Amino acid sequence: DGGITQSPKYLFRKEGQNVTLSCEQNLNHDAMYWYRQDPGQGLRLIYYSQIVNDFQKGDIAEGYSVSREKKESFPLTVTSAQKNPTAFYLCASSPGTSGRNTGELFFGEGSRLTVL
Amino acid sequence: QKEVEQNSGPLSVPEGAIASLNCTYSDRVSQSFFWYRQYSGKSPELIMSIYSNGDKEDGRFTAQLNKASQYVSLLIRDSQPSDSATYLCAVQSWGYNKLIFGAGTRLAVHP
Repeated sequence: DGGITQSPKYLFRKEGQNVTLSCEQNLNHDAMYWYRQDPGQGLRLIYYSQIVNDFQKGDIAEGYSVSREKKESFPLTVTSAQKNPTAFYLCASSPGTSGRNTGELFFGEGSRLTVL
Repeated sequence: QKEVEQNSGPLSVPEGAIASLNCTYSDRVSQSFFWYRQYSGKSPELIMSIYSNGDKEDGRFTAQLNKASQYVSLLIRDSQPSDSATYLCAVQSWGYNKLIFGAGTRLAVHP
């Protein structure tokens, strides 16, 4: 079954700790994305990657870091520099890196991070 | 700053009625338009895409695009309680390989 797997589903973190959210896809998609969703708000782009070993900052990259060492994997690290990290984090992929099908996103189930 | 605006709702419609969800966008060079459905606590799923002016129908869903008015809408015919969700409008501009999402409209279909 093709899809995107995010883990963990729920995560609690103390202030000052870094945490890494996993995202793995077996759809053979080139492009991968990380979004953050806060209650009552739309999705905001954190980072995206269109090819292995390359990634770009999105609109709210401060306090986050990513890597793309393999096509299938795009982990997100929420660092202690992120001032308000409590949110729902969504990983997505798309089949294309340009043109129309970059907007056809497939999402994982999400990771809900709570800072205590 | 590119913006996508949606009425947050909730939009409440009776079962069997037509639900009309609206979205406006600010960037005139926007090329591709998408509707995602998100159930509470779940991740979004793509339900419609539209690229040209006019209507596009898929089952009970119809997307409508008017680029001159910078307006895109989603009609859901014969609404069912299972359609109760938040509907996110997303817009992509030419040469800009990222989507801009609206905050979503919450739809409630009551029996």
